[in-house]
This record gives sequence, structure tokens and C-alpha cells, in this order.
Amino acid sequence: QQPVQSPQAVILREGEDAVINCSSSKALYSVHWYRQKHGEAPVFLMILLKGGEQKGHEKISASFNEKKQQSSLYLTASQLSYSGTYFCGTEQSGGTSYGKLTFGQGTILTVHP
Amino acid sequence: DGGITQSPKYLFRKEGQNVTLSCEQNLNHDAMYWYRQDPGQGLRLIYYSQIVNDFQKGDIAEGYSVSREKKESFPLTVTSAQKNPTAFYLCASRNPIRDAVYGYTFGSGTRLTVV
Repeated sequence: QQPVQSPQAVILREGEDAVINCSSSKALYSVHWYRQKHGEAPVFLMILLKGGEQKGHEKISASFNEKKQQSSLYLTASQLSYSGTYFCGTEQSGGTSYGKLTFGQGTILTVHP
Repeated sequence: DGGITQSPKYLFRKEGQNVTLSCEQNLNHDAMYWYRQDPGQGLRLIYYSQIVNDFQKGDIAEGYSVSREKKESFPLTVTSAQKNPTAFYLCASRNPIRDAVYGYTFGSGTRLTVV
């Protein structure tokens, strides 16, 4: 089952902050975050493993609440280059097909000068 | 540099034709995946393979076929049975080791259009 992302779209001015959420009804082993520019392939940002750890990548960080099966991506002091569509990809716990991701529908982030 | 190469970048298919999309990687990754992306939507899994000569259906496998004869190659055939093939197709690879810190590496995609 596809994870649900919210909001569907965000419009920011440079320097503003944003939070994108990803929620799953399945028990998760990991959550991935990707950013896709228009017409291009998605680019891996970070992976969150079970345990509620928070990770960071420049001014972009994320958390994973294993109990709630939810992850949030935090973008601080946004830059024009942050514009794009953000996808979460979830990997379920258990089974033998680990490595397979189910993606959310995406959140369109637009940063204006 | 290592990476994934998809070809062609653009492909046009006539009604009733089968077409094959190429995906080659030199990352020495065991697992490879095919996703389909429709405008304004997320990625949906078509097929995936964890080892050579083995592959599994994803969520939308109907009308598609794959092969994995070599570790480096995972071609996708869109058959005439796929009634709505117009989409952006993405190939990805990963070493599916638990606790790995790396995600998918994606190819640059193939945009398929039915004419």
C-alpha cells in the first residue's frame, strides 16, 4: 500500500522553512527520501532506519517515528535549488524482498526569490 | 564513473508493437528495479530482480516482461498487452544489504509515447 505524503504542494520564499510528512499503514524497516527535478531522475537524499533516528544533509534533515510509521523531512532556510518534487519511499519490515521501495505520491516544493 | 544508463531517452511506439527499454549498470549492484511514473504521480513498481536469472512482479506487472541474464543488465519489454504504456520509465539499482546507508541509484529515464 502506497504511503501518504502531505502536503501535496508547498510554496516558499527563499529562507523559509518547510516540513513534508510521510505516513504508512504498514510496519516499516526504513524510509528513504528523494528529490526529483522536472524531467529528471530522482536523486537520493537520505535513508532513515527504524529507531527514530534523525539524520541531516546540509540544511535538510529527517526523522522517523517507528511507532507511528511516520517520517518527516525538514528543509530549513530554503534555497532556490530546493525546488522540485520530494518523494518518500518505504521499505516494509519482514519478508525476503528487502530493498524494494513503495513510493508516496510526491510533494511539489516551489521556492521563489 | 559508475552509474546506470538507460536508453533510449525517448521512444515512440505504434499500436500493437512490442518495445524494449535498456538498462545497464556498472555499480556491481545485485538488485535492480523498474518503475513507471505518470504525470503528477509517484513511482509504481513494475518488476524487480535481486539476483541474476531471478525476478519478481511488482504492483503493475501486467503487459510488461523482463529478463536478468547478466548482473549488469535488466531490460524491460513493454508488450502490446499494455494498454496505456505512455509514461516515464525509470530503472534503479541498489545493494539490498540491511542497514545500508545508500538508497537507489536511478537511471536518467526513458519517456515512452504511443503514437
